[in-house]
Formats: sequence, structure tokens, C-alpha cells
Amino acid sequence: EPEVTQTPSHQVTQMGQEVILRCVPISNHLYFYWYRQILGQKVEFLVSFYNNEISEKSEIFDDQFSVERPDGSNFTLKIRSTKLEDSAMYFCASSENFYNEQFFGPGTRLTVL
Amino acid sequence: DQQVKQNSPSLSVQEGRISILNCDYTNSMFDYFLWYKKYPAEGPTFLISISSIKDKNEDGRFTVFLNKSAKHLSLHIVPSQPGDSAVYFCAASANQAGTALIFGKGTTLSVSS
Repeated sequence: EPEVTQTPSHQVTQMGQEVILRCVPISNHLYFYWYRQILGQKVEFLVSFYNNEISEKSEIFDDQFSVERPDGSNFTLKIRSTKLEDSAMYFCASSENFYNEQFFGPGTRLTVL
Repeated sequence: DQQVKQNSPSLSVQEGRISILNCDYTNSMFDYFLWYKKYPAEGPTFLISISSIKDKNEDGRFTVFLNKSAKHLSLHIVPSQPGDSAVYFCAASANQAGTALIFGKGTTLSVSS
């Protein structure tokens, strides 16, 4: 069964460093998403992406964040200058259309020291 | 601002019995509701969804009920199995307005044999 994959599974970085989290969505899906879950808190929406542009973003998704689909398969989340409070699980998701269920990847645990 | 609320942090059920997980929402713009199951160190797994034009959707052992007037939905699992032990998240979206899924805090279900 097709699934969303994410790399790396765990990323440790120093505060102020740039990180890129990678995702390969399900191949026939058109919408891509990033969510995060800070330890002990809810899963929170960050951004959705369709047709090579951001379709919606939350207030969490500030200028430090960017997303890109550099080729036909990968979808990336870049955090330009990481802060301690960026430590969280980051989940990528994809869906066939905006009104369909979203399928999530296994997540990348980001630890900012 | 908790638009999606899961007021029971945990639920314990015996194998073979019914599990009922509850979710309340406040945003009347929500028109699509989903349940996800999550194991530790994994991403949320889609279980079942319901559109606001329906009041019930069934898939095998899982049934979701929607009461729009009460802004309440519930997930019934019958019969419950030990493998159902996980965290269950309720999520909602306003498809007319966007693509973001708004999640509840989750309910940890423990099914004992």
C-alpha cells in the first residue's frame, strides 16, 4: 500500500542552524501538508501546498519556515534559523484532493539544542 | 482556542466490548470530520471520516456518528481488540474555507484482554 515517507527520522541541531526536513508524498496525491506536534501537545497545522504554491498557512508558519517541491517526488520543509521551541515531531501528509482524507508520514523528531 | 475538544484523556475497555470515543467542536464552519489512530513513534493513521451531510458512517468495526446540532461526534469500535490500544485523534476541517485539519488533544484507549 502506498505510504508517505519522511527523512530523517531524527534530526538534532544547534539553535540558529538551518534544517531541511524531507518527505515523499503518495505519488498520485496533489495536496501536501506539514504539521507538527510539540511533546504533550496537539498536532498543529503548519502549511498546505498545491500546484507548486502555498494554499494555506497557519500563524506558526512565519518567515523562518519555507516549503518547496524541488522535483516530482520530494516535498521539503526548511527552518531557516532554528529556535529551542521548534523542537517537535514534524509530520508530512498528502491527499488526493483538498476534500479527501490526509495520509501522514511517520514523522521527523527535531531536537534543537 | 480549542476548536476541537476531546475531553476524556483516557479510556479503558475490556476486549470484546464497545469503545466509545467522543469529540466536540465549536466551529460551525467545520464540514468534514476524521478520526486518526496513533501509536508511539509513528504518524497518525487515518481510520474513518464523515461529511457534514451525513450523520453516520461505518467501516467494519468502526462507526462514526455526527450530531451537528450538538456539534458532537463519536467513534464506536465494536468489538474492541487489544491491538486497538493507541491514541485516537479527532480532526475537523472546513473544506469550504481551507485545507487545514484541526486536531483534538487525543484520547488514549487501552483495551485489556
